This record gives sequence, structure tokens and C-alpha cells, in this order.
Amino acid sequence: QVQLQESGPGVLNPSETLSLTCTVSGVSITSSYWSWIRQSPGKGLEWIGYTYYGGNTNYNPSLKSRLTISADTSKSQVSLKLNSVTAADTAVYYCARGLSYFDILRDWGQGTLVIVSS
Amino acid sequence: QSALTQPASLSGSPGQSITISCTGTSSDVGAYNYVSWYQQHPGKAPKVLIYGVTDRPSGTSTRFSGSKSGNTASLTISGLQTEDEAQYFCSSYTSAGTWMFGGGTQVTVL
Repeated sequence: QVQLQESGPGVLNPSETLSLTCTVSGVSITSSYWSWIRQSPGKGLEWIGYTYYGGNTNYNPSLKSRLTISADTSKSQVSLKLNSVTAADTAVYYCARGLSYFDILRDWGQGTLVIVSS
Repeated sequence: QSALTQPASLSGSPGQSITISCTGTSSDVGAYNYVSWYQQHPGKAPKVLIYGVTDRPSGTSTRFSGSKSGNTASLTISGLQTEDEAQYFCSSYTSAGTWMFGGGTQVTVL
């Protein structure tokens, strides 16, 4: 079955670059939409953006200037890079697979907690 | 962009039915059938219950059903069970080409 596993630094300092990896198994990443979503402690969900076949991307305008989402088909991984992080970027970050615009977040990883603190 | 509007909490007794609303605008919920519902238990990742307004992935109980009228989508849970106690989120595509979530509804089974 489809499995997604996020990994990341856990803790980083303000102004640093957050790098997260989502390792995918059970399906080829050359198909589907691959999204990142985050959830601040005790808060709701925020859509970050996605990449899909051919390197196309779509980003949340509020994060677009700091954000890069990409896929490495050789490693079956999807990555997120977010520059110049602040405490407001502290959240659980999830990756998710979508099949279409109708079904954009079908399968989810278990999430990885990122804390931005000096 | 403001989040879609959901009631903060709802409760019901086992066996009852409850309906969670998700109110947007003519630029999101009202404009597209790209509305989904997710269930999230504490400490777990969200799980899709409904996509495309009314469709259920295989494995989702038929007790969960979705609908939409105008700018408001709804999730109905029939025959409420203790395991349905969770947070529920809606999401919708928007005319800006992005996705937006609701603020979430905490369902309590009395």
C-alpha cells in the first residue's frame, strides 16, 4: 500500500532554512500530486503547496517567496525547503498524495514536528 | 484568505446523527466541487472521509456522507459511535488556484 514518511531537523534557529523530505513507497512519484500541509500546535491545517508530474508546482501565496517544493524520482522523495523561518513556522508538517483536484489529499504521512526556536 | 467557517464543536449521543457545516464563498465552496472532509484523532494524521463533495474512498464507513448547497458544504455522521469522537476539517479549492481548510470542528460523543 502507499506509505509516506516525513523526515526533518526537528529544531532549527530563526532565519535558517527548513528542509524536509517525504519518502514514498508503494506508488511511483511520477504520477499524482504531492502536497505539503502544516498544522501549528493546537491549530488548524494550512495548505503549503504541491508538485506534480514534470516539476510543475503550486504554492500558497503567503509562503511562495520563501518556498520550494520538488521531487526526486530516483530516490522516490518529495522535498520542501522554506527559507528564513520564524517562530510562526513552528508546526507539524505533513506530506500527502493526491489523485486529482477532486481528491487532492488521499494519503497522508504521519507528520514531523518542526520547532523554530533560538 | 480567511479559513472556511466551521462550528468549533458539536456533540451527540451514540446512535444520533450530526451535521457539520463548512461555509465558504462563491469563490471557493460555491464555485467548485473540489470539497473534501478529513477526520483527525489526537496525535494522528488527518484521514480523508469524503472527496469531490459526496464521494467516499474505499474503507470509509457509509455512515459518513457529504453534500453541498450554495456556498455551504456539509458532512453528516449517522449512527454516531464513540470512535467518531475526533476533529473534522473541510477543504476546498479556491479561485486563486489554492486550497483552503476550515478551522475544524471537535465532535464529542456524549
